[in-house]
Amino acid sequence: EAQVTQNPRYLITVTGKKLTVTCSQNMNHEYMSWYRQDPGLGLRQIYYSMNVEVTDKGDVPEGYKVSRKEKRNFPLILESPSPNQTSLYFCASSEIPGQGTDTQYFGPGTRLTVL
Amino acid sequence: GQNIDQPTEMTATEGAIVQINCTYQTSGFNGLFWYQQHAGEAPTFLSYNVLDGLEEKGRFSSFLSRSKGYSYLLLKELQMKDSASYLCAGMDSNYQLIWGAGTKLIIKP
Repeated sequence: EAQVTQNPRYLITVTGKKLTVTCSQNMNHEYMSWYRQDPGLGLRQIYYSMNVEVTDKGDVPEGYKVSRKEKRNFPLILESPSPNQTSLYFCASSEIPGQGTDTQYFGPGTRLTVL
Repeated sequence: GQNIDQPTEMTATEGAIVQINCTYQTSGFNGLFWYQQHAGEAPTFLSYNVLDGLEEKGRFSSFLSRSKGYSYLLLKELQMKDSASYLCAGMDSNYQLIWGAGTKLIIKP
């Protein structure tokens, strides 16, 4: 089954404790992206990657890091989480925008609470 | 600047028709997407328009007017399961998606 998986689905942590949210896709997609979703603000892109070892900042990259060592995986790293990073996070993947269908497939989401 | 505007919330009756509007301003244009998102779940793709006109897909249709920077999603024969948020997103010249805040659709029996 074609899918994007994220782990963990729910996480409660404390300020300053480093965490990683994993994302994996099995569709051989080149493009992967991380979003955060907050009430009334819609989806905001954090980072994206066009291919292995190629990552770029989105609209709200401060406080986050990503890596793309393998095509299927795109982990999101919060080195020192703060309460304003409490949010619902989605990973998404697609073919390279403009070269395919452009439809993004989303993971199930990770609800993060930073105390 | 780039911007997507859509109503925050709409209410409709089961069995009826509802139209959700979206206006967009993007730097260049490479298409307009509609996604459905049930509460607490991931967005799922509904439609994509890049040319003017109406695209029909079962009970759902999507319309685009590039000259007006306007799109709408039309839902017919509403069912209770259509209660969800509907996200409008425009793709700019760099193939980046600009997302609206979403329209929460409430269906009443």
